[in-house]
Amino acid sequence: DQQVKQNSPSLSVQEGRISILNCDYTNSMFDYFLWYKKYPAEGPTFLISISSIKDKNEDGRFTVFLNKSAKHLSLHIVPSQPGDSAVYFCGASQGAQKLVFGQGTRLTINP
Amino acid sequence: KAGVTQTPRYLIKTRGQQVTLSCSPISGHRSVSWYQQTPGQGLQFLFEYFSETQRNKGNFPGRFSGRQFSNSRSEMNVSTLELGDSALYLCASSLTEGLNIQYFGAGTRLSVL
Repeated sequence: DQQVKQNSPSLSVQEGRISILNCDYTNSMFDYFLWYKKYPAEGPTFLISISSIKDKNEDGRFTVFLNKSAKHLSLHIVPSQPGDSAVYFCGASQGAQKLVFGQGTRLTINP
Repeated sequence: KAGVTQTPRYLIKTRGQQVTLSCSPISGHRSVSWYQQTPGQGLQFLFEYFSETQRNKGNFPGRFSGRQFSNSRSEMNVSTLELGDSALYLCASSLTEGLNIQYFGAGTRLSVL
């Protein structure tokens, strides 16, 4: 049972535009959400997180939005840069329970 | 400070064999988690170790096992390898127990022939 889903396997965006990556979850007990970025031949690196008591968290060009009623979170990247091309994983956890990841979305930024 | 180190980076085995993967966490980190990454499945949690004890376990068969040593280094073992075990195995460390922000190694790419 896939508790965290990233329904778009890939996304292509023009450089300078906004990239929006989406993630849906089914477990309403999840209270912490994270986004990781992964380049080929490297491990995932932590990007940004949000706890369930917030609905928005911003860090430079990256903003994560959480809609608890819809069980949906999104990552906005503005403006998108070529170096943002990578696979993005969203993850969710409940307390100290295991972190559950989505399948990943491959983002390609076109010049 | 050195990052998470996984060895070996690449491994080729045949069906039925067993394999051991190694992970050295960031200095001072006491929690180590293991994940399997396959195309279309994302990152699937295998298990987490903290202070040499398994704290969380994912939905993998008993052929997958692990352990953690007193210096926090961890090993993962897969016995009786199957073709479907071919994947990238990632290790992640964090400062304390609980699986929030983790730091990943580059992974071990296992190919089972």
